[in-house]
Amino acid sequence: DSGVTQTPKHLITATGQRVTLRCSPRSGDLSVYWYQQSLDQGLQFLIQYYNGEERAKGNILERFSAQQFPDLHSELNLSSLELGDSALYFCASSGRGQMNTEAFFGQGTRLTVV
Amino acid sequence: DQQVKQNSPSLSVQEGRISILNCDYTNSMFDYFLWYKKYPAEGPTFLISISSIKDKNEDGRFTVFLNKSAKHLSLHIVPSQPGDSAVYFCAAPSIQGAQKLVFGQGTRLTINP
Repeated sequence: DSGVTQTPKHLITATGQRVTLRCSPRSGDLSVYWYQQSLDQGLQFLIQYYNGEERAKGNILERFSAQQFPDLHSELNLSSLELGDSALYFCASSGRGQMNTEAFFGQGTRLTVV
Repeated sequence: DQQVKQNSPSLSVQEGRISILNCDYTNSMFDYFLWYKKYPAEGPTFLISISSIKDKNEDGRFTVFLNKSAKHLSLHIVPSQPGDSAVYFCAAPSIQGAQKLVFGQGTRLTINP
């Protein structure tokens, strides 16, 4: 158990819909990272938050947004969903804003868009 | 731009033999590399790392080798065990503030009994 909790584990929704993925970081970790893993692809960095503020942005679509709340949990919002958005979405957390050995990943949310 | 590349999508090895997973990178500014292991339905977990000031780091059955001139690193697992069957990702912290990890595409390792 990494200490990072992601909900829900599975999500099936229709094209055009909007979903929210939730991540609770390890206790005390200030940084939250979101990654997307499409079928047979590597993990693509989406966005990072540190103590409530956006710190780094990757190839995140404009239809996607995220935020980190005062209690440090984070949500990833995906809207106007397309079939190609079907993927595993991972959240990771670290304490120092650095992704060396201190980064811990959640179990992921499997999103299926039909 | 795929800065970290794992060109072998899959690898099959006999139990007890050596598994060698390869990773190439394009950015010579990378100075730290990590290997993550991922089982189905689980998130990646950290396995082993190496700093660019070293050319080898060993942890039990796992050894990572770094060849900076070739921009190549490899993970050796010996002896391979059935529980090693997983997807292995190599990764490097972004040179821009080390605030994110850049991952390779992963190699699926299958250990056959």
